[in-house]
Amino acid sequence: QKEVEQDPGPLSVPEGAIVSLNCTYSNSAFQYFMWYRQYSRKGPELLMYTYSSGNKEDGRFTAQVDKSSKYISLFIRDSQPSDSATYLCAMSPGGGNKLTFGTGTQLKVEL
Amino acid sequence: DAGVIQSPRHEVTEMGQEVTLRCKPISGHDYLFWYRQTMMRGLELLIYFNNNVPIDDSGMPEDRFSAKMPNASFSTLKIQPSEPRDSAVYFCASRLAGAGELFFGEGSRLTVL
Repeated sequence: QKEVEQDPGPLSVPEGAIVSLNCTYSNSAFQYFMWYRQYSRKGPELLMYTYSSGNKEDGRFTAQVDKSSKYISLFIRDSQPSDSATYLCAMSPGGGNKLTFGTGTQLKVEL
Repeated sequence: DAGVIQSPRHEVTEMGQEVTLRCKPISGHDYLFWYRQTMMRGLELLIYFNNNVPIDDSGMPEDRFSAKMPNASFSTLKIQPSEPRDSAVYFCASRLAGAGELFFGEGSRLTVL
């Protein structure tokens, strides 16, 4: 079993929909949780960064961490075609050195 | 700043050949990372450096892989000899000490025939 599990998708939604992306993990030592967005043929770029449990909101994006369930989520409100990308969750016990990434969920937002 | 710069963007080579991938991190960043991305395994950390010193190379798959960072603005990842299973996208990333965000390059897509 992988340390971080993520549904690969693809996930296809209409423009304006609310999107929910999720990861589960098994290592209880993980304290830092991130979401990266990766466009086709590009490198990942940081979208959201949270420490420990709770919610964090940034514009149309909300990240949630539930450490008791070892479950993290990324919500995208009012999804746009420009949100079409692969979303990678990442986590580490401390800081940003040894990140463990999920395999990514491919999202397509259609007009 | 131009961001993390990687070269070549694409490399096609034959099994047994030596491959050298290059990376220029963002100026002033203290940490440099090499990742490999495949469909099956996702992004895997191969090795990372702090102030040009290799800190953790436990992700390097075999002795065929080696990485160097001769100065703060340049790093190489070498595969010798290359094998078809090394085909992947190799990413270089850098970050500042004390900051959580990793900045990735656009990757080097390697195909070994």
